[in-house]
This record gives sequence, structure tokens and C-alpha cells, in this order.
Amino acid sequence: DAKTTQPPSMDCAEGRAANLPCNHSTISGNEYVYWYRQIHSQGPQYIIHGLKNNETNEMASLIITEDRKSSTLILPHATLRDTAVYYCIVRVGGRYGGSQGNLIFGKGTKLSVKP
Amino acid sequence: ETGVTQSPTHLIKTRGQQVTLRCSSQSGHNTVSWYQQALGQGPQFIFQYYREEENGRGNFPPRFSGLQFPNYSSELNVNALELDDSALYLCASSSPRGANEKLFFGSGTQLSVL
Repeated sequence: DAKTTQPPSMDCAEGRAANLPCNHSTISGNEYVYWYRQIHSQGPQYIIHGLKNNETNEMASLIITEDRKSSTLILPHATLRDTAVYYCIVRVGGRYGGSQGNLIFGKGTKLSVKP
Repeated sequence: ETGVTQSPTHLIKTRGQQVTLRCSSQSGHNTVSWYQQALGQGPQFIFQYYREEENGRGNFPPRFSGLQFPNYSSELNVNALELDDSALYLCASSSPRGANEKLFFGSGTQLSVL
């Protein structure tokens, strides 16, 4: 079973920030938080990941609470092309030594960006 | 565009048949993972191959098997197809250089079992 809890759906107005929450209350100290998204009829796409510090890249920002039990993915200026299912995943980081390809997906949050 | 290509894009089979799906990994990636995604669900991990050997397997029966070739491309084979095998099959490649490698997914093969 997935170790994360996400709302099933969210709406966001085009041009506004989309804030997608994720609860991972049982996260272990060596587990990272990953975000992927899946646009209809495509494979999942990596967005961002972090351990305990906030992270930002060209796609999004990731805010992780101090106790690491929850996080928020922020798309600063959502566009129609950001409409997708967003998956929050926790997994052990570190060098290859096990099933690093094993991501446990939940059902994710379906984000609908509306004009 | 991830550089991971899968073939075919769509496939129709009948119950009891066997199917082979193919995946070419992104250049420089020597690890390939396969996932099954039923309609309305998140992808489920089937198995992973690293340097031509299976390294990690999810909760799938032995009739799901795979291969990885010296060029790191991979095949997923499913024997004795069942109706519930109808799904999108996704391949992902990664490179274990450094920590926290991320996965790059192909667009998948949509398998329908009738």
C-alpha cells in the first residue's frame, strides 16, 4: 500500500498557484518525498524530490514540514497543460543497492486547471 | 520526451495467449523497471532489471517474466493472459549514478485482453 494520502481531486484557476498537499505521517528518516505527474495517455513524469529541506526547480517547489509528516507541491503559475494526476511517493534514497525502481504509487490527486 | 520508447503502443490479445512488450531505455541508463496500470489506478511495480538480471519484483505471478539485453533494452512477457491483465504497461529507465536516481517513463503499451 502507498505510504501517502492525497486528496482525490483539486481545481485551480489558470495563472494561479496550485498547492497540492500530501500526508506521509509514517515516513522514515531515510525516506525521500518524490512527486511525479501523469498527463492523460502518457507515462508518469518526474517533478521534484526532497528529504527535509524545501526544494525548487524549473517546474515546481516542494515544501516539507519540519516534522516531515506532510508536504506541499506548489506549481506557481498553473497552465492548462498542468492538468494531470499528481502522485506523492515516499521511498528510500541512496545509491543503488536494492529495488530503486520500485515506486509505490497511490491514486494521486487529479488536478484540473480551468481557464 | 524522455528517450524511453515502448512498442507496440496498442495490442489486442485473447485470453490464454502470450504477449511480449518491448522497451528501449534512455541512453546511458542500465536499469529498467516495468509497471502495470489498471484503469483509474496508479501504476503497480512488476519488476526491475539491472545488468541483465532481475533485481526486485512486485506482487505479480511467475507468468509475468522479463529479459534485459546487453544494450539495456528490455522485454516483458506475459503468459496465459487473463482478462484482468488488460492494462497500460509502462517501462521506466534509470541510471544508478549517484543517489536518488529518478525514473524516466515511456508512454506505455495499452494491452486489451478479450
